[in-house]
Amino acid sequence: DADVTQTPRNRITKTGKRIMLECSQTKGHDRMYWYRQDPGLGLRLIYYSFDVKDINKGEISDGYSVSRQAQAKFSLSLESAIPNQTALYFCATSDSPTGDGYGYTFGSGTRLTVV
Amino acid sequence: AQSVSQHNHHVILSEAASLELGCNYSYGGTVNLFWYVQYPGQHLQLLLKYFSGDPLVKGIKGFEAEFIKSKFSFNLRKPSVQWSDTAEYFCAVNHRGGGNKLTFGTGTQLKVEL
Repeated sequence: DADVTQTPRNRITKTGKRIMLECSQTKGHDRMYWYRQDPGLGLRLIYYSFDVKDINKGEISDGYSVSRQAQAKFSLSLESAIPNQTALYFCATSDSPTGDGYGYTFGSGTRLTVV
Repeated sequence: AQSVSQHNHHVILSEAASLELGCNYSYGGTVNLFWYVQYPGQHLQLLLKYFSGDPLVKGIKGFEAEFIKSKFSFNLRKPSVQWSDTAEYFCAVNHRGGGNKLTFGTGTQLKVEL
């Protein structure tokens, strides 16, 4: 089984619909992140969580919300999807840093299309 | 806020050619630096990372990168590329005390032709 699992892998949804992307990990990491990837823009941070009670906005959090249900689970929701939220979404985890030097473990991504 | 620039957006090379991908960051403090690779249809994988010590870092698959603090650069190199190196490459940085939030560059699409 993958260390970081994202579901669904692909999703097409209509404008205005609510959709949830799920992420679960078996790494035992405290820190989890949601990024979106757009061609030519790289990866941009949406939300991050340092533990179950600590959730923080990233650089592009508008239109998104998250829930950290447990240490291993971190879900991203689009309350009312719009076409410019069409993107590839990645969940990532990292261990608690003792020097902020830990790289990420990424999930396989969710390709979301909003029509 | 920190930012990362990758000036080469698309690179096309022939097999056995040498590769150098540029990465510059803007942050005046102590940083950790990373290169990730994304093969077509796959998730990002760590190629190499720099935390401290020897500024020349060796990673997987024959890649290496050199941290030049005075130039705020962390360029990725490989002496001889293979067709299987075709992928997108991302430079990323976080700063000490920044909570391990990575800031990514916009990526460089590398195509290696036979």
